[in-house]
Amino acid sequence: DGGITQSPKYLFRKEGQNVTLSCEQNLNHDAMYWYRQDPGQGLRLIYYSQIVNDFQKGDIAEGYSVSREKKESFPLTVTSAQKNPTAFYLCAIAAGVPYNEQFFGPGTRLTVL
Amino acid sequence: QKEVEQNSGPLSVPEGAIASLNCTYSDRGSQSFFWYRQYSGKSPELIMSIYSNGDKEDGRFTAQLNKASQYVSLLIRDSQPSDSATYLCAVNSEAGYNAGNMLTFGGGTRLMVKP
Repeated sequence: DGGITQSPKYLFRKEGQNVTLSCEQNLNHDAMYWYRQDPGQGLRLIYYSQIVNDFQKGDIAEGYSVSREKKESFPLTVTSAQKNPTAFYLCAIAAGVPYNEQFFGPGTRLTVL
Repeated sequence: QKEVEQNSGPLSVPEGAIASLNCTYSDRGSQSFFWYRQYSGKSPELIMSIYSNGDKEDGRFTAQLNKASQYVSLLIRDSQPSDSATYLCAVNSEAGYNAGNMLTFGGGTRLMVKP
């Protein structure tokens, strides 16, 4: 099996805790992204990475952190500084030039208790 | 600020009818346009891409692009109850090698196809 995997599917967090969401891909693509989706809303970009050991903030990076130590992996940490972390988190890869289609993993639903 | 606008709906159509979903965008330099389908509780699935003015057909789906009017649409012919989902429009304003690969998403239109 291949493609983009995210784990866990559901995650519950107590207030004040940091949690890390996993995103792995075996498609050999360079660009990876993290989005957040709130109920009834579109996707908002948290962080993205175009290459190993490099990443950039998106529109709503505050309270989140990422790393890109391997091409296959782009984990997202939701820190206690994120005020409203309950959301659906989506990881994506970009297929590359010239059209840059993005394809999504199955997502992680995070709930803060 | 690049913006992509969609009517949130719901858009309700009877089974077998044509569903027409619309999207406008603010960045005149936009290069690539995408339609994603998202079922409730699931991640978005890419169903159509369009890059040139005009129509692009794929099965029951037709994407239409008018760059002069900054308008992209998705037509679904012979709508089925299984087409009931939220449809997200996404726009890429950059192109070529070393482009930012950045997409701006609309808020989505919820489509309901009634038997």
